[in-house]
Amino acid sequence: DTAVSQTPKYLVTQMGNDKSIKCEQNLGHDTMYWYKQDSKKFLKIMFSYNNKELIINETVPNRFSPKSPDKAHLNLHINSLELGDSAVYFCASSQVQGRWEQYFGPGTRLTVT
Amino acid sequence: AQRVTQPEKLLSVFKGAPVELKCNYSYSGSPELFWYVQYSRQRLQLLLRHISRESIKGFTADLNKGETSFHLKKPFAQEEDSAMYYCALLYGGSQGNLIFGKGTKLSVKP
Repeated sequence: DTAVSQTPKYLVTQMGNDKSIKCEQNLGHDTMYWYKQDSKKFLKIMFSYNNKELIINETVPNRFSPKSPDKAHLNLHINSLELGDSAVYFCASSQVQGRWEQYFGPGTRLTVT
Repeated sequence: AQRVTQPEKLLSVFKGAPVELKCNYSYSGSPELFWYVQYSRQRLQLLLRHISRESIKGFTADLNKGETSFHLKKPFAQEEDSAMYYCALLYGGSQGNLIFGKGTKLSVKP
């Protein structure tokens, strides 16, 4: 019954590797998001997807790429991981783009060594 | 540019004491503001929005356009209120998104 789920919950990897984080929502929402929460708990949006189109692409490195195979999924691919990528990544969804009520996933704690 | 400021990283109070979590914003358009909360080991969730003017778990927040503030208040804090609180601004109209403040950690001591 989980509304927004993410896998894995924890991810430990070495610098230079490529990794993916998966996100799925079963709420029937049209828009999904990825947020990064750094060590100081600062939460910043990275991407949002609406009907398979990238609506907002904040100034994140192009090593990060969102991929949405369908409306219920938005996966985050990260290439050539760096130490500074260590953070908690949250997936979220909302009924439509621009809606304030976003439902968040539990987060994925990424540690790059 | 739009901005949300939460000046306090940590706020520590005793149970039963009043709580006020500060939030100031900067936005040229008509603001829509929200409070999100993240309890320990739980996901981030919406607490309240200024449009509804409702009280959730005893918390209220009033939008003050003159002071560009949206402070979160509760008259009597409870231990279960301990959490991370984020103020958020919806910007960009119908294609807009949320921008979050840096968050305030509320610790309610017994």
